[in-house]
Amino acid sequence: GNSVTQMEGPVTLSEEAFLTINCTYTATGYPSLFWYVQYPGEGLQLLLKATKADDKGSNKGFEATYRKETTSFHLEKGSVQVSDSAVYFCALSDSSYKLIFGSGTRLLVRP
Amino acid sequence: DSGVTQTPKHLITATGQRVTLRCSPRSGDLSVYWYQQSLDQGLQFLIQYYNGEERAKGNILERFSAQQFPDLHSELNLSSLELGDSALYFCASSVEGWPAGELFFGEGSRLTVL
Repeated sequence: GNSVTQMEGPVTLSEEAFLTINCTYTATGYPSLFWYVQYPGEGLQLLLKATKADDKGSNKGFEATYRKETTSFHLEKGSVQVSDSAVYFCALSDSSYKLIFGSGTRLLVRP
Repeated sequence: DSGVTQTPKHLITATGQRVTLRCSPRSGDLSVYWYQQSLDQGLQFLIQYYNGEERAKGNILERFSAQQFPDLHSELNLSSLELGDSALYFCASSVEGWPAGELFFGEGSRLTVL
């Protein structure tokens, strides 16, 4: 079945460091891909999305490119801030009625 | 604020009991999703409703049931509770029912079973 695999956390970085969180997927057809973020004590919220191959989603300095050849959707940010500390979830939407989430990657940014 | 309201925010109960979690979707959203988030299982899809009809079912136990009412709010009923049911239960809503696009999540209901 369709699935999403994320790198295990926690990822600990110093402020202004470069961030990469890896995400790969397995799916039939042409899914849409998403990154959601969960700040402490809150629900998930959409960070960015891409609906077709080679699309780049971006928001708040975060970027991810839909790579069909490598079935990947890695999340990147050039300079992280303490306020970026959260759990990040990669997800896909196929032809079904639900979003399939990865296990989440916790990011901790230290001042 | 996502516009999705979940009650209660916290709930502590005993094994064998039954609880009901309530969700009010964003205004105008027809689709409601329920997810369970636990430390060892991650975010698991339970069930989805669209305009009052069940559309998709995931890893939902037979002890659990849900429904969506004519005013579009939804309830998740959990019965014969076990220690392993302790988790954060999220409701999410979206405008469309298929395929799943952007979901708007509530803040969750944290259930603790003692």
